[in-house]
Amino acid sequence: QVQLVQSGAEVRKPGSSVKVSCKASGGPFSSHAVSWVRQAPGQGLEWMGGIIGMFGTTSYAQKFQGRLTITADEITSTAYMELSSLRSEDTAVYYCARGKYYYYSYVDVWGSGTRVTVSS
Amino acid sequence: DIQMTQSPSSLSVSVGDRVTITCRASQGISNSLAWYQQKPGTLPRLLIYAASTLQSGVPSRFSGSGSGTDFTLTISSLQPEDVATYYCQKYNSAPLTFGGGTKVEIK
Repeated sequence: QVQLVQSGAEVRKPGSSVKVSCKASGGPFSSHAVSWVRQAPGQGLEWMGGIIGMFGTTSYAQKFQGRLTITADEITSTAYMELSSLRSEDTAVYYCARGKYYYYSYVDVWGSGTRVTVSS
Repeated sequence: DIQMTQSPSSLSVSVGDRVTITCRASQGISNSLAWYQQKPGTLPRLLIYAASTLQSGVPSRFSGSGSGTDFTLTISSLQPEDVATYYCQKYNSAPLTFGGGTKVEIK
């Protein structure tokens, strides 16, 4: 059974950056697309972007273009999400989410979540 | 980008009632639509994919329908454990946009 284990909670100041990791264990990684989804306190799910590991291609929601970078390391089966120019509105729980197939599809495995707090 | 609009945003129903949640895409997405359930403090759970295919282990009181731009999630007889927020998501192509969510409560 595949598990996605994310890095621990982070606290950042406005204007800084944060990098969250997502390590897969117990199953294939590069043969699945991985998305990053966030959820602000009391709010809904928001798709931020994703990576198709097999090809290394990324897609980003327009809202995050220019300050979001998603990468993946096939050797360590780890995906990364880096968000820059942080503001208070970026305070949220960030999830990695594995798609069912190598191309973008529905999520069949969710990461444990990483709480990011942006505060001065 | 294609927008996903869910309605209603919340509803309060009695145990045993039928619940219907709709999700509308601003452009056609064929049947590339999934539904998730999220209970407070927990991870989202996949209920339905390909608009109408029930994920393994999901109770048969959940069903999905639709194609193109209009989709429906139905709970045939609401149970107390179904109290949650429900989200639709398109996945035909990036961005994989979620609907705004529908919070279901017991009356």
